[in-house]
Amino acid sequence: ETVMTQSPATLSVSPGERVTLSCRASQSVDSNLAWYQQTPGQAPRLLIYGASTRATGIPARFSGSGSGTEFTLTISSLQSGDFAVYYCQQYNNWPPHTFGQGTKLEIK
Amino acid sequence: EVQLVESGGGLVQPGGSLRLSCAASGFTFNNNGMNWVRQAPGKGLEWVAYISSSGYTIYYADSVQGRFTISRDNAQNSLYLQMNSLRDEDTAMYYCARSTTVNTWLLDYWGQGTLVTVSS
Repeated sequence: ETVMTQSPATLSVSPGERVTLSCRASQSVDSNLAWYQQTPGQAPRLLIYGASTRATGIPARFSGSGSGTEFTLTISSLQSGDFAVYYCQQYNNWPPHTFGQGTKLEIK
Repeated sequence: EVQLVESGGGLVQPGGSLRLSCAASGFTFNNNGMNWVRQAPGKGLEWVAYISSSGYTIYYADSVQGRFTISRDNAQNSLYLQMNSLRDEDTAMYYCARSTTVNTWLLDYWGQGTLVTVSS
């Protein structure tokens, strides 16, 4: 099973700031990496797939990069609705496709 | 608008059974594979089971293999999860999630979830 490790677990940032979240895979997943956003009490929402392609309706301030084992999600100019938990997911080595443990963005 | 609405959660004793349902609307249900994903309280996401659009291909996580059964009724636009021999560690919010048509493992729409609590 491919283990996904996200860092940091929690990040305190201010609205308007730029933030970068990291995700590392225990083995190569090529570019088969997705990011999901989960706001409190809500279901996850697909943000990024193929490591860098934004899903339908996702604003351009969200961007993803990386391949192999190292990936990042960058959010430029954080808005209030962006404070949430972000999960990475690999879908290269399956089953199972696996999620990271999440990074929580909180307001500083 | 794509909608996925789960139901059937509740409180059940260890060793008991429960059947979850997911009613789908707003898309052609028999075009997409479907999944169940769960989230234990305060924890991350864990994929549980997948069923292909036709129902012929099914995968399970090791943690539920032999205890859970995923199924679908394309005529009723519904997805199901039969959960037997439930354990404390099965306590979680259970989400129904749609696979994209371009990749089985990308989940582009999720329901709001139904809570399963296993406790004596």
